[in-house]
Amino acid sequence: DAGVIQSPRHEVTEMGQEVTLRCKPISGHDYLFWYRQTMMRGLELLIYFNNNVPIDDSGMPEDRFSAKMPNASFSTLKIQPSEPRDSAVYFCASSFGQGGGANVLTFGAGSRLTVL
Amino acid sequence: AQSVTQLGSHVSVSEGALVLLRCNYSSSVPPYLFWYVQYPNQGLQLLLKYTTGATLVKGINGFEAEFKKSETSFHLTKPSAHMSDAAEYFCAVRGPPPGKLIFGQGTTLQVKP
Repeated sequence: DAGVIQSPRHEVTEMGQEVTLRCKPISGHDYLFWYRQTMMRGLELLIYFNNNVPIDDSGMPEDRFSAKMPNASFSTLKIQPSEPRDSAVYFCASSFGQGGGANVLTFGAGSRLTVL
Repeated sequence: AQSVTQLGSHVSVSEGALVLLRCNYSSSVPPYLFWYVQYPNQGLQLLLKYTTGATLVKGINGFEAEFKKSETSFHLTKPSAHMSDAAEYFCAVRGPPPGKLIFGQGTTLQVKP
């Protein structure tokens, strides 16, 4: 398996533009997570899905952020409109099963977003 | 509520010295605990985990951690640091709900030659 695949790896955009980050989880994994990492706030869980259904989106900062998982092999995180404070590395991760297995996350390489 | 506190945002050791990274947790359910490592410009990867059973768990690259319920701790150790161990280390605890993982703020390990 190629692991968790994220695109784009780097995105530079201007304030007010729409940004879409994409994630392909590992085949067979039933949990998918979106995290954001910044120097100031560390690693924050934004939202996670189980079997394509959003379970907890309490970490989504505001209405400008939205996430979807239309099928088991694809998820998007969208920011509209983007702001400079959204600049961060966004990680997608996936895992399988209940118990301890559900928390053995495989992370993608991340999407580094810079909003000017 | 679940939470993790990592003591020390930066730890510096000499090559060959003992590595000790501290983690304390709070959990309303029997804890499942994890250490993840992040190398520069990469995603996190699992080092080791504790779910049930033996309280001393061994992970990759010579790391190990001991679950101490009385101290609510899960410290990470390695007897002899290598230059390649320089990275950021995250302690984590399982939520409820069980699929959720709560990470600490991370500890950056520097290894000096």
